[in-house]
Amino acid sequence: EDQVTQSPEALRLQEGESSSLNCSYTVSGLRGLFWYRQDPGKGPEFLFTLYSAGEEKEKERLKATLTKKESFLHITAPKPEDSATYLCAVQANNQGGKLIFGQGTELSVKP
Amino acid sequence: KAGVTQTPRYLIKTRGQQVTLSCSPISGHRSVSWYQQTPGQGLQFLFEYFSETQRNKGNFPGRFSGRQFSNSRSEMNVSTLELGDSALYLCASSPGQGYEQFFGPGTRLTVL
Repeated sequence: EDQVTQSPEALRLQEGESSSLNCSYTVSGLRGLFWYRQDPGKGPEFLFTLYSAGEEKEKERLKATLTKKESFLHITAPKPEDSATYLCAVQANNQGGKLIFGQGTELSVKP
Repeated sequence: KAGVTQTPRYLIKTRGQQVTLSCSPISGHRSVSWYQQTPGQGLQFLFEYFSETQRNKGNFPGRFSGRQFSNSRSEMNVSTLELGDSALYLCASSPGQGYEQFFGPGTRLTVL
């Protein structure tokens, strides 16, 4: 069964304290892995798509990496405005556009 | 480009009623997917439409249905509402399979 597991469930950081979020996945043929950010009461906001092992994408303080079993979202020198829930999702080759989401990591960055 | 829009933003219904939610995708996007988000289950896939055809369906009862129109706008319907249907319903649009999906703000449904 296709599955996505994110860890930790919650992460508290001080401003400037770098860290990483983990997304482990099991899927029968990966078409793509997606990272989203979701603020309370809003829809998820697209961050990155990764398609193959070894691929990396960067955007401001965020960097996403992909291996055959997991993906990491590295946050460098975070700011309070980076506080949000970060969601990881996978899309399988044989399931159309269906996204399978993890439960998310709730990130809190304190000044 | 304008983003994905969903109407209404908030709905309060009672058990047994039915509800219709609407989604307008980003211009040029032909794929629309629907998701249900609850604190306990997270984001779960409901169904996907592409060029007016349902391409995939999640594990939800038949009370949940949807359709897509020729202009790519989509609606989802939930009949005989139950308390457990209270959730944030999210619509996402995409140019097609394998591409990123862009989400709307969601419709918050409360069933009393």
